Amino acid sequence: KAGVTQTPRYLIKTRGQQVTLSCSPISGHRSVSWYQQTPGQGLQFLFEYFSETQRNKGNFPGRFSGRQFSNSRSEMNVSTLELGDSALYLCASSPSNTGTGEKLFFGSGTQLSVL
Amino acid sequence: GENVEQHPSTLSVQEGDSAVIKCTYSDSASNYFPWYKQELGKGPQLIIDIRSNVGEKKDQRIAVTLNKTAKHFSLHITETQPEDSAVYFCAASIPNSGYALNFGKGTSLLVTP
Repeated sequence: KAGVTQTPRYLIKTRGQQVTLSCSPISGHRSVSWYQQTPGQGLQFLFEYFSETQRNKGNFPGRFSGRQFSNSRSEMNVSTLELGDSALYLCASSPSNTGTGEKLFFGSGTQLSVL
Repeated sequence: GENVEQHPSTLSVQEGDSAVIKCTYSDSASNYFPWYKQELGKGPQLIIDIRSNVGEKKDQRIAVTLNKTAKHFSLHITETQPEDSAVYFCAASIPNSGYALNFGKGTSLLVTP
């Protein structure tokens, strides 16, 4: 099976712009989660989608949003970019089976730089 | 505040020695505790996990122990090899939040030949 695929791998944006990141989960996985990774704050939970519905959301401002499509692919959007949004954005998918659902399989991430 | 604390932040061992990384969590309702390994330029990779109804789990050279009463869990790597060098993260499930996890800040492990 192919792993979690995230595109693009790198992005450079300027303050005030918006950005959309894409994630294709492992085939058969219905849950997709997004995390922000920075040197200072580490890995922080953004949100989780399951069967096209946002199931949980972390403590991030409303500028961060996401969605999931019927094929489980997911996108996240950040509007009005700030310098502090520079980070590695990681997508993870889960098999969603009882007893194994929490196992997260991460992609390699999208490195976003805001100038 | 920080829900998962991880120590040490850096760890250097000689090849063949053991490495131990410790984490504590704050919410007693957390019931799932995975460990991830992240190599440069890659996403975190699950290496072992444990649930709250188990005290210890082993997989070849790695093992995890959980003390629910004290709310801490540890990763043990025996017979370390240079390819074990990476950043290791512990995590704890966020209660009533689907599959969301709180992560520790990571331990940078260096195994020298």
